[in-house]
Amino acid sequence: DTAVSQTPKYLVTQMGNDKSIKCEQNLGHDTMYWYKQDSKKFLKIMFSYNNKELIINETVPNRFSPKSPDKAHLNLHINSLELGDSAVYFCASRSSGAFEQYFGPGTRLTVT
Amino acid sequence: SQKIEQNSEALNIQEGKTATLTCNYTNYSPAYLQWYRQDPGRGPVFLLLIRENEKEKRKERLKVTFDTTLKQSLFHITASQPADSATYLCALNKGGSQGNLIFGKGTKLSVKP
Repeated sequence: DTAVSQTPKYLVTQMGNDKSIKCEQNLGHDTMYWYKQDSKKFLKIMFSYNNKELIINETVPNRFSPKSPDKAHLNLHINSLELGDSAVYFCASRSSGAFEQYFGPGTRLTVT
Repeated sequence: SQKIEQNSEALNIQEGKTATLTCNYTNYSPAYLQWYRQDPGRGPVFLLLIRENEKEKRKERLKVTFDTTLKQSLFHITASQPADSATYLCALNKGGSQGNLIFGKGTKLSVKP
């Protein structure tokens, strides 16, 4: 299947831990994104990245860092997790020739 | 900074009727505006895009309008079906080369049989 995939689907961890969420797209897109959707369902962009440029939303704490081993992958690493980090995290991708974004299924992160 | 308001958090309509969802923005007119559908436990799915120089766009039972004077987009689903029940998100481009989007909070549509 051509798609954007994320692992894991669910992640439960304790405060203070470090965790990573993986994202892969096989659509051949060159720009990838991470979004956070909080309990009020508000979807906010965290990062956008292509092979030349990383744009960070200024409200994102520096405990969050994207890592891209290649064009098809953009992983999200989170240090020192806090209760407020609990949310659903979505990865998305886009072709430079189009505007629509393709989203992954989401990772529900619960910090206890 | 740009703000997006989707006026109704929830909209309940009867099957067969036309659903009309509203998206208003406060600041600059975006180059384009998009609508997405999100089902529970899933990621948003792209539906339609309309550019600032377009008044209306259609796709099957869906229609989007864009009024840059009113700073508003309307999203219509004609002959609605229970399967159309979902949350619909409006999104505007934030500017810049990477096509970053700002999303509204969404309107949860429920179509009753």
